[in-house]
Amino acid sequence: DTGVSQDPRHKITKRGQNVTFRCDPISEHNRLYWYRQTLGQGPEFLTYFQNEAQLEKSRLLSDRFSAERPKGSFSTLEIQRTEQGDSAMYLCASSPSGTPGEQYFGPGTRLTVT
Amino acid sequence: TQLLEQSPQFLSIQEGENLTVYCNSSSVFSSLQWYRQEPGEGPVLLVTVVTGGEVKKLKRLTFQFGDARKDSSLHITAAQPGDTGLYLCAGARGGSNYKLTFGKGTLLTVNP
Repeated sequence: DTGVSQDPRHKITKRGQNVTFRCDPISEHNRLYWYRQTLGQGPEFLTYFQNEAQLEKSRLLSDRFSAERPKGSFSTLEIQRTEQGDSAMYLCASSPSGTPGEQYFGPGTRLTVT
Repeated sequence: TQLLEQSPQFLSIQEGENLTVYCNSSSVFSSLQWYRQEPGEGPVLLVTVVTGGEVKKLKRLTFQFGDARKDSSLHITAAQPGDTGLYLCAGARGGSNYKLTFGKGTLLTVNP
């Protein structure tokens, strides 16, 4: 199966530590999205790449957050100096260029900041 | 402001019953997606609708996009326990960025 994969699936960290998550999209998809989901809410958009270019960032993405997609393939999302409010499920999705609204999600990374 | 309102928020029914869940907005979307999500997992895409008035069927699931592309419904016939999950609708505005705006979801429980 060549679906979207994310690593790690779970991460527990102490407040103030840095964490990095990885997303591998479906290979032929040129668009990659990051979303964050908290309990009882639908996913919220964080940022978006078309190939290696980061084209939009949400106001939710503070200066402590940075995302990259260096070769237009996998992407990483780093959170520096984590806070308890960063605890959430971080979801990655990819979509083909022809139907960009048709986004396929990975299993997510559950972050818990203690 | 929640751009997409889903109703009901919770629904508990018996196996074999029919149900409809709704997704409403005051905004026009270029496409609307329905997802099903299970606890601890990412959303799984069920369908994409792009044309106003479009109806799509996926086995016992029927999806409809409103004529004005502002609302959608999901109808399940003869629900089964395996249909249990969180049903999310998500709209894409289009332009250069197809980021999805999600509703809060309808949590469906189908009891055997």
